[in-house]
Amino acid sequence: GAGVSQSPSNKVTEKGKDVELRCDPISGHTALYWYRQSLGQGLEFLIYFQGNSAPDKSGLPSDRFSAERTGGSVSTLTIQRTQQEDSAVYLCASSLALDNEQFFGPGTRLTVL
Amino acid sequence: DAKTTQPNSMESNEEEPVHLPCNHSTISGTDYIHWYRQLPSQGPEYVIHGLTSNVNNRMASLAIAEDRKSSTLILHRATLRDAAVYYCILSSWTDKLIFGTGTRLQVFP
Repeated sequence: GAGVSQSPSNKVTEKGKDVELRCDPISGHTALYWYRQSLGQGLEFLIYFQGNSAPDKSGLPSDRFSAERTGGSVSTLTIQRTQQEDSAVYLCASSLALDNEQFFGPGTRLTVL
Repeated sequence: DAKTTQPNSMESNEEEPVHLPCNHSTISGTDYIHWYRQLPSQGPEYVIHGLTSNVNNRMASLAIAEDRKSSTLILHRATLRDAAVYYCILSSWTDKLIFGTGTRLQVFP
């Protein structure tokens, strides 16, 4: 079956603009996670959803970052007033339940000029 | 979150076994030991996980020390496709994954 998909695959934006990144999890997966990976760095946890609720937002780096999940499926990560330090690959993962292996998407490469 | 320590890099020749070590001396009783790997330009990929007993799957084996303060991921016969960054992660069953810097494995023909 289809894996986790993310769109767009690449996004170039100007500093100060808002961007929306989309994640389509594997059908039936109740848990959804967002991570980001800056150049040459490890993965940094941002937020996860169980269903439509987000019990852990501790990883969001600032209030410019927000995420939502509707219908227990698609999730959108929004970054407002983007800064150059937001440039990174944003990865989404989903799992059947919170204690199951996570399946990662290919990521969205965000470049803020 | 309990921390893991891994070597920055390791090398192997193709067809040879690889033992990737991980130290986690502050592991708690509810922490699972997860291994993920990240091939170049791809998202991470699940490899294996365990709690107390050694585990085997089609990709690898996980050997867990009796005191659970260390573990070893074993690739029985390395292939060129196994060249990746391998992450050892501790996570309770309901938790997010906290990735460290991992071990970069190079495999030579």
